[in-house]
Formats: sequence, structure tokens, C-alpha cells
Amino acid sequence: QKEVEQNSGPLSVPEGAIASLNCTYSDRVSQSFFWYRQYSGKSPELIMSIYSNGDKEDGRFTAQLNKASQYVSLLIRDSQPSDSATYLCAVNLRGVNNNNDMRFGAGTRLTVKP
Amino acid sequence: DAGVTQSPTHLIKTRGQQVTLRCSPKSGHDTVSWYQQALGQGPQFIFQYYEEEERQRGNFPDRFSGHQFPNYSSELNVNALLLGDSALYLCASSLVEGEQYFGPGTRLTVT
Repeated sequence: QKEVEQNSGPLSVPEGAIASLNCTYSDRVSQSFFWYRQYSGKSPELIMSIYSNGDKEDGRFTAQLNKASQYVSLLIRDSQPSDSATYLCAVNLRGVNNNNDMRFGAGTRLTVKP
Repeated sequence: DAGVTQSPTHLIKTRGQQVTLRCSPKSGHDTVSWYQQALGQGPQFIFQYYEEEERQRGNFPDRFSGHQFPNYSSELNVNALLLGDSALYLCASSLVEGEQYFGPGTRLTVT
């Protein structure tokens, strides 16, 4: 089982719709969770971080975390063509020495159609 | 406030050669992590440096080594290059327990 799993997509939604991106992780002791957006040919850009169970909202983005189910999601409301990108889920594992060890999913490609 | 910078942008090397990639962290950040990203994949963690020491290492061979300088900048060295080392190499900076911010990356092509 991969440590961080995402549907590779592509996920296609019409402009103005809600895009829902999902991620599951295998390590129960993980404490920190992140969503990055990566445009083609560019480096990942941090868009959300979440540390506690529940929802965290930032503008059109909402991250949801359920540690019991080892599940984290990202909702994008009022999707725009400029949101078309690959979305990477990242989980910060805690090593034996309490060190950071960030693991990424393979990413979900989102296309927002005008 | 300058973000994370990396050099060079692109690099072409031949199998068996050695390469050094450089990274300057975002102002105020003291931790640098290096990642390898193959086409269509997520970034793979290589290692992390904090206080000039390798703090954590991913599943990469000893051909991959690094260094962190007193000003927190960092280098990634790869020896005996293989064709499979062709990838985008990303540097990310953070405070030791914080969110990571990526630089623009170095595209390495091994021929």
C-alpha cells in the first residue's frame, strides 16, 4: 500500500462547479497535511495546510481532515479555468526521532472547462 | 522578500558524471529539504538538512549527498549519474517544523 494515495484523474469539472479532490494515507501517526498546486512545468505551490480534524477554509478552498479514517480532502468552490493544475496531497510523517519526513501522493490532475 | 531560489535552471549531463545543484532558502527559514520529481509523479523525498546536518533521509542511494552551509543554503550532489536520475530536482525550505515552500526546481537531463 502506498503511503499517500490519490486518484490520478483527470478530474474534469465545469466552470463554477465544486471540485472535490481526495487523499488517503497509511501512517496513523501523521500529524500534518498539506495540499499543493502544481501547474505544468512549474514547481509545487502550497495552498492549504491542516493539522486538526474537521474543516479549514481559505477563500474558495476548504481542506477536510478525518484522522480516524486517514482521509484528507480539498474542495474548490466556484472552480475557475485558472484552477486547472495537478493537486498534490502531502503528509508529514513523524519518524522515530520525531523528524519531518514529507511524503507526496502522485497528484490529481484537475481540468476546469469554461 | 526573496523566495526559495535554485540554480541552475536546467542541466544536461552524461552518464557517469557528477552534478551539484544549489538552493537558497526563503528568508528566515533554517531547514532545507530536497526532492526528486519524475514526470507524472509526486515529489520523492531525498533528504532534509537542519543546522548543517542531515536530519532525515529518504530511500535514495549514497550517490546522493548534500550539504548545508552556515547561511542555511544547501547543495545536492549526485555522483555516477544514471539515465534514471533525469528528473526535476526540487528544494523546499521551512522552519524546522513548518510548512515547506518550494523553489522553481532544476531540470536535470542525463544522456
